[in-house]
Amino acid sequence: AQKITQTQPGMFVQEKEAVTLDCTYDTSDPSYGLFWYKQPSSGEMIFLIYQGSYDQQNATEGRYSLNFQKARKSANLVISASQLGDSAMYFCAMREGSSFSGGSYIPTFGRGTSLIVHP
Amino acid sequence: DTEVTQTPKHLVMGMTNKKSLKCEQHMGHRAMYWYKQKAKKPPELMFVYSYEKLSINESVPSRFSPECPNSSLLNLHLHALQPEDSALYLCASSQATGNMNTEAFFGQGTRLTVV
Repeated sequence: AQKITQTQPGMFVQEKEAVTLDCTYDTSDPSYGLFWYKQPSSGEMIFLIYQGSYDQQNATEGRYSLNFQKARKSANLVISASQLGDSAMYFCAMREGSSFSGGSYIPTFGRGTSLIVHP
Repeated sequence: DTEVTQTPKHLVMGMTNKKSLKCEQHMGHRAMYWYKQKAKKPPELMFVYSYEKLSINESVPSRFSPECPNSSLLNLHLHALQPEDSALYLCASSQATGNMNTEAFFGQGTRLTVV
């Protein structure tokens, strides 16, 4: 079974509108963390936002917010007021407590969602 | 300075060549990573160095040889590669705190083509 599922291979949004990118996860570990990364065509993976499994409130970072629904095991990324520069691949990733190895928590990535922002 | 710098940005090599990818960071991070990413796929972990020691090798073929000469540098030596090794190779670094929320910083990657 996939640990991270991103069901939207591609999404389109009009500039200035909000968009939600879906991410569901599967873990039996009570301790885990969820990340979203943006990867523009240049290749660099850019960290956007983090949500810990014990965090009481949904994470927010500027125009990015994470809609964390623990019971449903979903961690959707909401981008408000989309900009043309938001066009990129977006990856959801998870670190589990059981994934600790060699001094690091090794993340598992989803397959990604390609977001295109139209002017 | 929150940059991870990778060189070269692009590399074309023959199957008999030997080449090296370089990665440098000056953020004081003691964990460094190599990932391989094929087009339209997520990154796949190859190696992890923790305090300059190889801590994880994800069953990578021996034609890929990592090296961490000091706390700022990470190399990936390539020899006798196959065309299917063509991919984007990403370097990342993070603090080796053992905290789950530790953010990893990625470089822009080296786009490798094996001919």
